[in-house]
Amino acid sequence: GQQVMQIPQYQHVQEGEDFTTYCNSSTTLSNIQWYKQRPGGHPVFLIQLVKSGEVKKQKRLTFQFGEAKKNSSLHITATQTTDVGTYFCAGPRNNDMRFGAGTRLTVKP
Amino acid sequence: DGGITQSPKYLFRKEGQNVTLSCEQNLNHDAMYWYRQDPGQGLRLIYYSQIVNDFQKGDIAEGYSVSREKKESFPLTVTSAQKNPTAFYLCASSSGRGATEAFFGQGTRLTVV
Repeated sequence: GQQVMQIPQYQHVQEGEDFTTYCNSSTTLSNIQWYKQRPGGHPVFLIQLVKSGEVKKQKRLTFQFGEAKKNSSLHITATQTTDVGTYFCAGPRNNDMRFGAGTRLTVKP
Repeated sequence: DGGITQSPKYLFRKEGQNVTLSCEQNLNHDAMYWYRQDPGQGLRLIYYSQIVNDFQKGDIAEGYSVSREKKESFPLTVTSAQKNPTAFYLCASSSGRGATEAFFGQGTRLTVV
């Protein structure tokens, strides 16, 4: 089954509002990765977090890895219509890579 | 150009027929993965392979088969035993044992009628 649980499943925001999606694992993760899939497209890698408590930023996107390495979040500041898509987290384990269910973000202009 | 290629982009098959989806990568990656995505759903792992001539079942392997005879190729066969095969299939590759980013192909949308 799913290694990581992701919430919310859907999020609809007004353009300019902030957005956050969360990933939670029952086990400690060696690292966590985030991907974005545009409608009709394929997932594209955004970032990987490895260290406990790590925070990384990409322009308006802020990624955090929890102190216990069991949870992570992606925060988008002042969403734009180009942010539309589904955001997935992935918690690699041993030899495989399993993804969370994703959070679908829609943005109303 | 380096990348991962899936073909065809759209595929139609009659119920009861086996169909093979192609996945080729020229990234020299050891690991390759197959995922299934249903409308509005996440990615579910079908099969994965970390090395040539070796592969493991994922969470939904029933009704599917794979082979890894070459490092660059990881074809997926959707057999007639798969009860609900209509879906979007994504192939991915990565250089390490799940510790590095995955590169995805464009996907194959399979419709069984």
